[in-house]
Amino acid sequence: DADVTQTPRNRITKTGKRIMLECSQTKGHDRMYWYRQDPGLGLRLIYYSFDVKDINKGEISDGYSVSRQAQAKFSLSLESAIPNQTALYFCATSDPPSGEETQYFGPGTRLLVL
Amino acid sequence: AQSVTQLGSHVSVSEGALVLLRCNYSSSVPPYLFWYVQYPNQGLQLLLKYTSAATLVKGINGFEAEFKKSETSFHLTKPSAHMSDAAEYFCAVSDQGAGNMLTFGGGTRLMVKP
Repeated sequence: DADVTQTPRNRITKTGKRIMLECSQTKGHDRMYWYRQDPGLGLRLIYYSFDVKDINKGEISDGYSVSRQAQAKFSLSLESAIPNQTALYFCATSDPPSGEETQYFGPGTRLLVL
Repeated sequence: AQSVTQLGSHVSVSEGALVLLRCNYSSSVPPYLFWYVQYPNQGLQLLLKYTSAATLVKGINGFEAEFKKSETSFHLTKPSAHMSDAAEYFCAVSDQGAGNMLTFGGGTRLMVKP
């Protein structure tokens, strides 16, 4: 089984709709991240969480919100989706305090906003 | 602030030829550096990482990269390309003092011709 899972894998929605992307991990890592990938721009950080009570905005947080329900779960919400939020979204985990500075990525969620 | 520049959004090589993917970074503190690979419709997989140990780092699938502080570079190489190497490659830098945040380059799509 994959260590970092994301649901759904693909989603089509309409402008103005609220949607939630979910991420779960079995690696036992405290830190979790949400990125979006756009062609030519690489990955950009949306939000990150160092533990359940520590959530921080990343480079491009406008229009997004997150919830860390447990150590293993980190959800990303688009409150009112707009077409320029069409992208590939990735969740990642890491645990630098234990020596695990590598970030491990989920398979991604492809989102299309019409 | 840190940044990553990957020269060449697309690189094409013949099967058996040398692969060279360029990455230059800027960082105000000694960096950690990473190369990730993304195969079609998949998440990002770690190829290799530099974390201030040996400057020549060997990764999976025959890839290696050399950290050159004087040139602020971390270029990825492979002596002989294989068709299965066709993918998108991302270089990333982590500022150890800023909570392990990753900054990604724009990515390089490697095409391998038979």
